[in-house]
Amino acid sequence: SQTIHQWPATLVQPVGSPLSLECTVEGTSNPNLYWYRQAAGRGLQLLFYSVGIGQISSEVPQNLSASRPQDRQFILSSKKLLLSDSGFYLCARQGIAGNTIYFGEGSWLTVV
Amino acid sequence: AQSVTQLDSHVSVSEGTPVLLRCNYSSSYSPSLFWYVQHPNKGLQLLLKYTSAATLVKGINGFEAEFKKSETSFHLTKPSAHMSDAAEYFCVVSDSSGYALNFGKGTSLLVTP
Repeated sequence: SQTIHQWPATLVQPVGSPLSLECTVEGTSNPNLYWYRQAAGRGLQLLFYSVGIGQISSEVPQNLSASRPQDRQFILSSKKLLLSDSGFYLCARQGIAGNTIYFGEGSWLTVV
Repeated sequence: AQSVTQLDSHVSVSEGTPVLLRCNYSSSYSPSLFWYVQHPNKGLQLLLKYTSAATLVKGINGFEAEFKKSETSFHLTKPSAHMSDAAEYFCVVSDSSGYALNFGKGTSLLVTP
């Protein structure tokens, strides 16, 4: 199974509040995991990727952080949200057979 | 560096007519190329992928794409559009590390009755 669970599915948060989006995956151990953001009218932007527990690489400087406390858990966080953090956040995993990436259903974040 | 350019931001077709979504790529090595589909408020679903095997790749839901190295293209086609094909389509190239994908801006496909 390549199932990816993301929650919450939708979230409305005030500016300055904290954020925690969670992603868990099923299937093989030690998958490569990713967080992407899709802002309105724009393509997908890779935010973070992780090749193992505690190993996080950031692709762009930003107000967000990521953590991987367990092999199949990937968390996206912020201490203080900005309006510009609004968007559709997608968790993804690398497939078993190669560089194909599979996506979760996404989490809609609206910062007001 | 590698990138993809989706030549049309919007495509509109009538139900039952062919679909053509265009994608050109730029890569300094043999690329892996993908097409993903995204229905409204949903995650991305893999339609098909090219990884240096057969140049004509068949995917799900009747879609296929042909890798043309001479034209640096990877256009997505379907012989007959269905209403359920209305969605956003992304052409994607894998980067050299294999850790991340570079996405095109997307093409919104509208299917009219």
